[in-house]
Amino acid sequence: DIQMTQSPSSLSASVGDRVTITCQASQDISNYLNWYQQKPGEAPKLLIYDASNLETGVPSRFSASRSGTDFTFTINSLQPEDVATYYCQQYDNFLRGFTFGPGTKVDIK
Amino acid sequence: EVQLVQSGAEVIKPGDSLRISCKASGYIFTSYWIVWVRQMPGKGLEWMGIIYPGDSDTRYNPSFEGQVTISADKSIRTSYLQWNSLKASDTAMYYCARLGETSGSYYFYYYMDVWGKGTTVTVSS
Repeated sequence: DIQMTQSPSSLSASVGDRVTITCQASQDISNYLNWYQQKPGEAPKLLIYDASNLETGVPSRFSASRSGTDFTFTINSLQPEDVATYYCQQYDNFLRGFTFGPGTKVDIK
Repeated sequence: EVQLVQSGAEVIKPGDSLRISCKASGYIFTSYWIVWVRQMPGKGLEWMGIIYPGDSDTRYNPSFEGQVTISADKSIRTSYLQWNSLKASDTAMYYCARLGETSGSYYFYYYMDVWGKGTTVTVSS
């Protein structure tokens, strides 16, 4: 099974800061990785798909990239409404399995 | 508008059976996989299984196989998640989501692009 490690597990940053979250896959998963935001008491929301593609309607301060089995998610200029838990999620391209990372909780300092 | 509407919160006794639902609207129900995701209190997201309503092809996370049944009724555009005998450890929020897709150069890319608001299931005596 493919394992996903996500770090950090939590972070606290100031409004306007740049925030970076990383996910590492235990083996090559190509670009089969998505990023979601889950605000407290809400359902998750898709932010990024195919490792680096911004979902329609998502603010451009969110971005992501891939380098081999390492995936990076960035919030440029953190806003108060970005307080949430962020999850990476990989999948098998034959749809036999999906794995979420453990999540990163982002707070405002 | 594309949306998934989930059934309401449930409080159930251990050993009881339960079926919760996820009704789709605004898109061709039979053309997209539906995913079921569990979130236990204070914990992360876990994939339970997926179903393709067009032909009822169903795939389970091995951790949930035999514990739940996922089904779909395309005549009423609804997917279901069912338990035969609930345990206290089944207490959780359950989400359904649509699996969107994009055609890449060589493969399709998949992502959970539309989510229901979730159904809270509380199992308690």
